[in-house]
Amino acid sequence: DAKTTQPTSMDCAEGRAANLPCNHSTISGNEYVYWYRQIHSQGPQYIIHGLKNNETNEMASLIITEDRKSSTLILPHATLRDTAVYYCIVRGTNNAGNMLTFGGGTRLMVKP
Amino acid sequence: EAQVTQNPRYLITVTGKKLTVTCSQNMNHEYMSWYRQDPGLGLRQIYYSMNVEVTDKGDVPEGYKVSRKEKRNFPLILESPSPNQTSLYFCASSELFIYEQFFGPGTRLTVL
Repeated sequence: DAKTTQPTSMDCAEGRAANLPCNHSTISGNEYVYWYRQIHSQGPQYIIHGLKNNETNEMASLIITEDRKSSTLILPHATLRDTAVYYCIVRGTNNAGNMLTFGGGTRLMVKP
Repeated sequence: EAQVTQNPRYLITVTGKKLTVTCSQNMNHEYMSWYRQDPGLGLRQIYYSMNVEVTDKGDVPEGYKVSRKEKRNFPLILESPSPNQTSLYFCASSELFIYEQFFGPGTRLTVL
């Protein structure tokens, strides 16, 4: 699975959009981009995933560049409860163990 | 409510005393996994199971055993725990290997 690079930390004002970038320049054609978050030692929580088209669900939007080398997770109206570590993960369909490789992630701090 | 449950949530034990951490999911998922999380090392997969009676090693299987006799349960067994197995453990499940994983709340294990 391709490696990802994320900023170590980011701040966001409550009510504003939080835009979390991720670089995955070595991504290959069959690899998906997944986003999870972990709130202070709780179990990681799935947010969204995509292959090449932009995706949106009730939690967030995922914007993937046309060359697929980077993506951005957007939390449209961040709240204090969105303070967490956000992980961008790239994994392929041939990953038989369904293993998610969690890197360092981005620690998002939402401030009042 | 769809969920993954783990028991116990907290456990302090001594070196060499066999223990089992249970994991159960009520979503009829095929895939189940165990991860451990340690500071600075992220989440690492211990074992996974693609279906009943089918299990395989993840990244860090040494010192652990698992079984999958029923679809809903995937216990993690430490036959002779050692202090280096002190960690935060997560169980996860997913419908198919490319789908999102649902994580349990975690089990914090301390081996003295």
